[in-house]
Amino acid sequence: KQEVTQIPAALSVPEGENLVLNCSFTDSAIYNLQWFRQDPGKGLTSLLLIQSSQREQTSGRLNASLDKSSGRSTLYIAASQPGDSATYLCAPSRANAGKSTFGDGTTLTVKP
Amino acid sequence: DTAVSQTPKYLVTQMGNDKSIKCEQNLGHDTMYWYKQDSKKFLKIMFSYNNKELIINETVPNRFSPKSPDKAHLNLHINSLELGDSAVYFCASSQDPPLNTQYFGPGTRLTVL
Repeated sequence: KQEVTQIPAALSVPEGENLVLNCSFTDSAIYNLQWFRQDPGKGLTSLLLIQSSQREQTSGRLNASLDKSSGRSTLYIAASQPGDSATYLCAPSRANAGKSTFGDGTTLTVKP
Repeated sequence: DTAVSQTPKYLVTQMGNDKSIKCEQNLGHDTMYWYKQDSKKFLKIMFSYNNKELIINETVPNRFSPKSPDKAHLNLHINSLELGDSAVYFCASSQDPPLNTQYFGPGTRLTVL
């Protein structure tokens, strides 16, 4: 059974800082891993998807890395902004049927 | 314009009632999902359908019955609602791999009194 842990559970930083969110998973037989953002009272928005054969993906100020063999992924946010404040969730997908297991998330607060 | 839509957005009902939540996607995706997010914000998959066929059925009480009339719709019917069913239910969809980024609906907040 896949278990996903995200560290830290909460993070508060001043605007402009670079930061790293961590995700670890117990079953390395994954097909891909997706990072999502969830704003309070809203649905999830996909940020980045990394296929199991890839090492990293970049989108704007976001960079996600994947080390499948060690069961780890990181989400790097450069030059953080108050608008980045949200809960970030990682979700490895075990099979190409798209069964994803979600971590508990990291709640990020970026202070102006 | 909305990619994945759910109705209703809020649902308040009494214990023992039967209710349905509807989901529609206009992205042309083949796979649709139902997730439950509990009060502690933990998100867990319940069901997944691919081309109207059930492919994932997690350990969910059989009071929950998904129905997929066509590829663009996946509805969730819940019988004999219990207090513990109170949660936010999210619908999502994705294309078949490798393009299986999941797109989520806005959620339905179910409150059972």
